[in-house]
Amino acid sequence: DGGITQSPKYLFRKEGQNVTLSCEQNLNHDAMYWYRQDPGQGLRLIYYSQIVNDFQKGDIAEGYSVSREKKESFPLTVTSAQKNPTAFYLCASSMDVPPSGYEQYFGPGTRLTVT
Amino acid sequence: DAKTTQPPSMDCAEGRAANLPCNHSTISGNEYVYWYRQIHSQGPQYIIHGLKNNETNEMASLIITEDRKSSTLILPHATLRDTAVYYCIVANFGNEKLTFGTGTRLTIIP
Repeated sequence: DGGITQSPKYLFRKEGQNVTLSCEQNLNHDAMYWYRQDPGQGLRLIYYSQIVNDFQKGDIAEGYSVSREKKESFPLTVTSAQKNPTAFYLCASSMDVPPSGYEQYFGPGTRLTVT
Repeated sequence: DAKTTQPPSMDCAEGRAANLPCNHSTISGNEYVYWYRQIHSQGPQYIIHGLKNNETNEMASLIITEDRKSSTLILPHATLRDTAVYYCIVANFGNEKLTFGTGTRLTIIP
């Protein structure tokens, strides 16, 4: 049963603490992505990775860090430098190989609340 | 720098066809039109994409105008489970940076 898993679904942290969000996929996809969504807004790209050991900044990378040591895993760390970390975080992956198209498959998301 | 324009909300009666419009007047020749939807508090779900020809799959149909400046997503027989926010996205094929705007909130009315 292939898919993308994110854990936990809800996460609470105190201000000033770093927190790592998990994202795992068993779809054998090369590309993985992290998005952030604020209430009533669309998704904004934080980081993406096309291949193991390589990743690029998205539109709002400041205050975040990622790693891609394995094809299946793309964890996101929300650091204390992120000014407004409370948000809904979505991980996605894609095969990124023509001509299948550019379908991104999304996980269920992690809702992070920092107080 | 929005590439697409969508109405913020729409209603559709259950069982009827839902037609969701999208304007993308600045689309370039190598850019595709993608549609995703997001049911409340879940991750977005891919629906369909196209370049210039009309496309149909098990979920929906995509009608792209001849000048490619607008498109319409059609859900042929809307059900209550189709209530969601629908995103129209324009992107180069293989471009990792999909830009999700605020989309259209579609409500299916019983």
